[in-house]
Amino acid sequence: DTEVTQTPKHLVMGMTNKKSLKCEQHMGHRAMYWYKQKAKKPPELMFVYSYEKLSINESVPSRFSPECPNSSLLNLHLHALQPEDSALYLCASSQADRGTYEQYFGPGTRLTVT
Amino acid sequence: RKEVEQDPGPFNVPEGATVAFNCTYSNSASQSFFWYRQDCRKEPKLLMSVYSSGNEDGRFTAQLNRASQYISLLIRDSKLSDSATYLCVVNKNTDKLIFGTGTRLQVFP
Repeated sequence: DTEVTQTPKHLVMGMTNKKSLKCEQHMGHRAMYWYKQKAKKPPELMFVYSYEKLSINESVPSRFSPECPNSSLLNLHLHALQPEDSALYLCASSQADRGTYEQYFGPGTRLTVT
Repeated sequence: RKEVEQDPGPFNVPEGATVAFNCTYSNSASQSFFWYRQDCRKEPKLLMSVYSSGNEDGRFTAQLNRASQYISLLIRDSKLSDSATYLCVVNKNTDKLIFGTGTRLQVFP
């Protein structure tokens, strides 16, 4: 079962709000990812956690703060966002110790910043 | 030059047609290759991993040419449900995938 779940599906927040996006997988995958996707563009990598440690931060602004409480969960804490941060936020996971590194995506959270 | 290049399309084809998408990548050290499909306002879904020997899954055939740094996807007997954006994806290192900009396919009745 290749399932990654994300909550909420939709989120509208003001620029002064603090909110969190959540992601969960039960496939025993050891790597988890956050991506941001704007309309008609491919996903852009934001963060990678490998074995619960942050391994890649693609120079993401500090108003985005990732957290990996355990190997199945990944959060993205949002604070003081800008309207240009409105996008689809995708979580993905993969078996980090496999050679093929196929990633499986969750359905995403569609974020609107007002 | 982009690391992964695809023709953005759109490719408009009738049902039953055969359509081929091509993709080139610039990093000769790339190790793993994938095709994902993405429907409008949905997440990317893994369609196929691409192996050196080429691989087939039903109506879909993927080929890899390492010498030319080129990947292809062939769809035979197109269905309306094949309408989507097809993303060519290359593995740069163990944790990072590089996405092409996608090729849009529209299959019409």
